[in-house]
Amino acid sequence: DIQMTQSPSSLSASVGDRVTITCQASQDISNYLNWYQQKPGKAPKLLIYDASNLETGVPSRFSGSGSGTDFTFTISSLQPEDIATYYCQQYDNLLVTFGPGTKVDIK
Amino acid sequence: EVQLVESGGGLVKPGGSLRLSCAASGFTFSNAWMSWVRQAPGKGLEWVGRIKSKTDGGTTDYAAPVKGRFTISRDDSKNTLYLQMNSLKTEDTAVYYCTTQLALPSGDYWGQGTLVTVSS
Repeated sequence: DIQMTQSPSSLSASVGDRVTITCQASQDISNYLNWYQQKPGKAPKLLIYDASNLETGVPSRFSGSGSGTDFTFTISSLQPEDIATYYCQQYDNLLVTFGPGTKVDIK
Repeated sequence: EVQLVESGGGLVKPGGSLRLSCAASGFTFSNAWMSWVRQAPGKGLEWVGRIKSKTDGGTTDYAAPVKGRFTISRDDSKNTLYLQMNSLKTEDTAVYYCTTQLALPSGDYWGQGTLVTVSS
């Protein structure tokens, strides 16, 4: 199975800060990577697909990059409504796997 | 409007069984690959398994922790996805989400989730 790691596991930043989360796959997954945002009590919401494509309606302050085994998710200017947990998800393999998540809050 | 509505969650004893349903509407269910994802209380997301459309073979794949205990099936005539869970363990306690990804962008859909609690 493909294992996904994320770092950091949590972070605290100020409004307006640039926030970066990294995700690493245990083997080459090309660009078969999604990024999800989940707020408490809600279903996950897709933000980025195919590693770098912004889902419709998602603010442009969110972005993704990377390919192969190393990926980056960035919030260019953190807003109060971005408080959530973010997960990467690989779908290169028949067995889909999620990263462990990164909890983002406001300092 | 695409809707996925899960039902069937509840309290069950270890070793017991439960069947979850996911009623789908607003898209051509028979063409869709459907998945189950779960989330234990206070924990991260865990992919449970998937069933392909019948035109793509209708085959299933499962995550290691549930393989051999859980079975995903579909009834295209009822636009409904199922998750049969047998030999339940306390670690299966979670909110179970039904999800599908149609053509992107704007094609990723999740239900509201149904809570399964395995406890004596």
